[in-house]
Parts: sequence; structure tokens; C-alpha cells
Amino acid sequence: GENVEQHPSTLSVQEGDSAVIKCTYSDSASNYFPWYKQELGKRPQLIIDIRSNVGEKKDQRIAVTLNKTAKHFSLHITETQPEDSAVYFCAAQEGGYSTLTFGKGTMLLVSP
Amino acid sequence: ETGVTQSPTHLIKTRGQQVTLRCSSQSGHNTVSWYQQALGQGPQFIFQYYREEENGRGNFPPRFSGLQFPNYSSELNVNALELDDSALYLCASSLGSATGTYNEQFFGPGTRLTVL
Repeated sequence: GENVEQHPSTLSVQEGDSAVIKCTYSDSASNYFPWYKQELGKRPQLIIDIRSNVGEKKDQRIAVTLNKTAKHFSLHITETQPEDSAVYFCAAQEGGYSTLTFGKGTMLLVSP
Repeated sequence: ETGVTQSPTHLIKTRGQQVTLRCSSQSGHNTVSWYQQALGQGPQFIFQYYREEENGRGNFPPRFSGLQFPNYSSELNVNALELDDSALYLCASSLGSATGTYNEQFFGPGTRLTVL
């Protein structure tokens, strides 16, 4: 089955800095890669996703890049704000099912 | 917020007991996936139901079972509870197809299960 590794486990930045979180996956059949943000005590919420036919996708301050050859994808957050502080999860979806395999998460702390 | 709801919000059980968790999917969705999220970990896939049939299962023992109803709501049942079953149980609904789909999964708020 699919295995997703996520790094770093914690990331501390100053407000206004950029943050990058990286994930690798093992199953070359995976074709969909969403990123979820989970605030303390709340449900995971999708912030951005990318499909295998695209190398990069942007949504305001958030961007995701995908390298299918190397089997890794990254989340980039620019101009970070304190409200970006949360746990971020990457995930990969295997072909044939709608199930997601998640990474272990990155706790992002943005200091004012 | 999504239209996915779960009940109960919190639950405390003792080892060996049985528990049933419930999930109402978002309107128009036909697929429900269940995940277990231990403290400090990412969600782990338990199983998925598509149009009332199990459509995939993760690495969980048979004492974890489920059901999906004609209105696409779902139940997760856990028998013979163990201490390690303590976790946040999340359900996610999506619009699926028989061949699999990459549509977004919308998560419910979760049920916090504590096993003593």
C-alpha cells in the first residue's frame, strides 16, 4: 500500500516569512495529492490539492508543487500570518479508491 | 463548515465494551470513509463505503465494522474495545464512482473516544 512521509514534524517561522513542508509517497499509481489544515480540536480542512497532470498550483499565499518522477510534493506558504498556525497534513490517493493515505503532520507555529 | 455531522462528540467506554459511532454525509455525496486519528498522528484509513457496499479497507482488525444506509449515512462499530482504540474518529464524505474518484473528501468534526 501507499506510504507517505512528511517533513518537518514542527516548523517555527516569524510572521511574514515563508514556510515549506515536504512530502514523499511510495505508490507511483497515486494521482491526487491534497493538503489539509487542522486547527486544535477541529476537523481537517482542505486548503489546496493537486492532480498528477499538473506540476504546480497556486491559491493566493499557498502553492503546491509536484514532482511525479521523484514522487514528492511540497506545500509553500508565503507571507505567513499567526492564523496560519496549525497542523498541516499531506495525503496521497491511490488509483481505484477514494481513500487517502496521510502523512504524520507538520505543526506550523507562526510568531508575531 | 462542511455539511458532515458526527455523533456523539465525545464518548467514554471501558475495555471490552462495544461502541457505535454515527456519521451523516453531505447532501449529494454517496461515499463515506472512516479514519482513526491518534493523538499527534495523521488520520489512518479504516474503511470506506460506496453506495452501501464496503469499497476498501485499511489495516484494522475485523472488530472494526461498518454500515452505510440508503440515505448514505454511516456507522462505525468497534467491538471488544482496547485501550489503544482511544482516538479521534473522523468520517469524510465525498462523491464517488465505481472506478474511484479524486473528488474532495469533506470531514466531519469527529468523535473523541476514550477507552479506560
